[in-house]
Amino acid sequence: KNEVEQSPQNLTAQEGEFITINCSYSVGISALHWLQQHPGGGIVSLFMLSSGKKKHGRLIATINIQEKHSSLHITASHPRDSAVYICAGTHAGGTSYGKLTFGQGTILTVHP
Amino acid sequence: EAGVAQSPRYKIIEKRQSVAFWCNPISGHATLYWYQQILGQGPKLLIQFQNNGVVDDSQLPKDRFSAERLKGVDSTLKIQPAKLEDSAVYLCASSLSSRGNSPLHFGNGTRLTVT
Repeated sequence: KNEVEQSPQNLTAQEGEFITINCSYSVGISALHWLQQHPGGGIVSLFMLSSGKKKHGRLIATINIQEKHSSLHITASHPRDSAVYICAGTHAGGTSYGKLTFGQGTILTVHP
Repeated sequence: EAGVAQSPRYKIIEKRQSVAFWCNPISGHATLYWYQQILGQGPKLLIQFQNNGVVDDSQLPKDRFSAERLKGVDSTLKIQPAKLEDSAVYLCASSLSSRGNSPLHFGNGTRLTVT
């Protein structure tokens, strides 16, 4: 079982819809990163979370430490939001201290 | 602040040739990562440096790949000799620390095609 599991793998939405991408992670991960990669493009860091909630424009990221679960929400989705969204966990200690583990990624397509 | 710089942007070589990629992280960032991203897949960590020391190189194919970060600043990744399956985007990323409380910053990557 992967230490960082994302769902769904593929997501299609109509412009304007509210979108949620989920990420579950295992014990030992202390922080979650949400990353965005447009087709053929580089990777952009959206959020880094170790607790609570962060908001930037139409993007909101939340993390529940007890449940080891994080979500990325996009409000009023737009075709330019179409990209791969990846969550990645940073390990807290032991031999994996500081190591990043990536989820499988969610391919989001927003139709006009 | 200047971002993570990588060069070259694209590289095409024949199999069995050698190639080197260069990365200059954001100034002051102690942690530097090299990732390999094959088309349609997520990034795979090749090596992680903390300053000039290696933290994790467990997935680096050491028979053909090598990386160094001699002065704890910029880094080079080398492949010698290249194979067809090395065709991928090689991403460099940096963060202030590896403690998990620092955002990641990625370069634009080097797209390698091995023919």
